[in-house]
Parts: sequence; structure tokens; C-alpha cells
Amino acid sequence: AQTVTQSQPEMSVQEAETVTLSCTYDTSENNYYLFWYKQPPSRQMILVIRQEAYKQQNATENRFSVNFQKAAKSFSLKISDSQLGDTAMYFCASRGLFTGNQFYFGTGTSLTVIP
Amino acid sequence: DVKVTQSSRYLVKRTGEKVFLECVQDMDHENMFWYRQDPGLGLRLIYFSYDVKMKEKGDIPEGYSVSREKKERFSLILESASTNQTSMYLCASSWDATKAFFGQGTRLTVV
Repeated sequence: AQTVTQSQPEMSVQEAETVTLSCTYDTSENNYYLFWYKQPPSRQMILVIRQEAYKQQNATENRFSVNFQKAAKSFSLKISDSQLGDTAMYFCASRGLFTGNQFYFGTGTSLTVIP
Repeated sequence: DVKVTQSSRYLVKRTGEKVFLECVQDMDHENMFWYRQDPGLGLRLIYFSYDVKMKEKGDIPEGYSVSREKKERFSLILESASTNQTSMYLCASSWDATKAFFGQGTRLTVV
């Protein structure tokens, strides 16, 4: 089994500033994926960014980037130039590549972007 | 784009009723999931299915059952609804480990 821990239940950031959301995970697998999902108030969960554990380079998607520290089992999300539309719940998740079908989710961080 | 559709966004049921939550995906995905989302607890897996008629229990299966008669459809059944099953229910599907696609969620209230 895998566990995912998000220790920041709520965060806020001023518009146009940068914010970092933290996530740690625990897995016994060597090959796995890590994800950040966003759930806006409308509730549709959408994928923000994905990291393959065997890739050392940190994933980047426009204003979103991750800091993947494999040895420390840490996977943080950095949002640059925060926008009002970034206000949402953010969930960190993991899934093994070959064993099991389940996606494991953290408890979420509620991010509010302040105008 | 993949579409995962849940039959209801809001549902109000009485205690003791049998409740069906339906989920349909249009991308021929092998895997389908039912999660329950509660504040402070994140997403907890109830059941998942990796093929037609195949199912596996997740972390919190008690009080729930599932049905997958066709590949595109995965139903969650509350045999006898109770107030502690009031929650948000999310359906998801995936082809592999690279991504899960979610429905819009069903807010179930049991009174």
C-alpha cells in the first residue's frame, strides 16, 4: 500500500505571488507516478501535473512546477504568478506502475488566492 | 477528451432506502473507481473494478456494493442508506497508471 500526506489543510496567497504546497508519500515500489489534482468549487477534479518517479527532471506545466525529492519522498507543487482561478482544493496522489490499480490520495490543501 | 459522467449532482434519500449511483465513461477504460470525499479525510477508495464483472474492495467498502455489467458503466449501491453515508461521491476511470479521469461528483444527503 501507499500513503500520501498533505500537512497543510489551508493556505492563502496574494494574487501574482508564488505559493508552494507540500506533499510527502510512502511507497515500497520503485516505479510509480505522482500527481497533483485540482478541484475547483465546481467540483470537477482535473489533473494539474504528473511526475514519473524514474525521471529525475522535475515536471513543469506553465505556471505549475514540482520539486520532486525521491530520497526524501517529497513532492511539492509550486504555483507561480497565482491567479484567482487557482482557488481550489489541491490533492496530491500516487500510483504504482505495475502493482495494483489504486490511486492513493492525500487529504487535500484548500488554496485561496486573495485579490 | 475523456468524459466520465455521474448520473446525479445532488441526491437526497431517506434512511433505509436502497440508493444507486451511476457512472459512465466513454473511453473504453479498463479501470473504474468509486471514491468518497469528506472534509479533512481526502478521497477514500470504496471499490474499484479492473474489468467487467470484476471488483475489488477498497479502504471503506462496508455498507456499499458495486456492479459492473458493461465496461463503460460502474454502479455504486448503498444497500440501506444511513446518515453517516452523507458525503460527496466521486467516480473515476483510467486506462493505466498515468492518469485518472473524474466525474463531476454526486453530493448525497441521507435524511
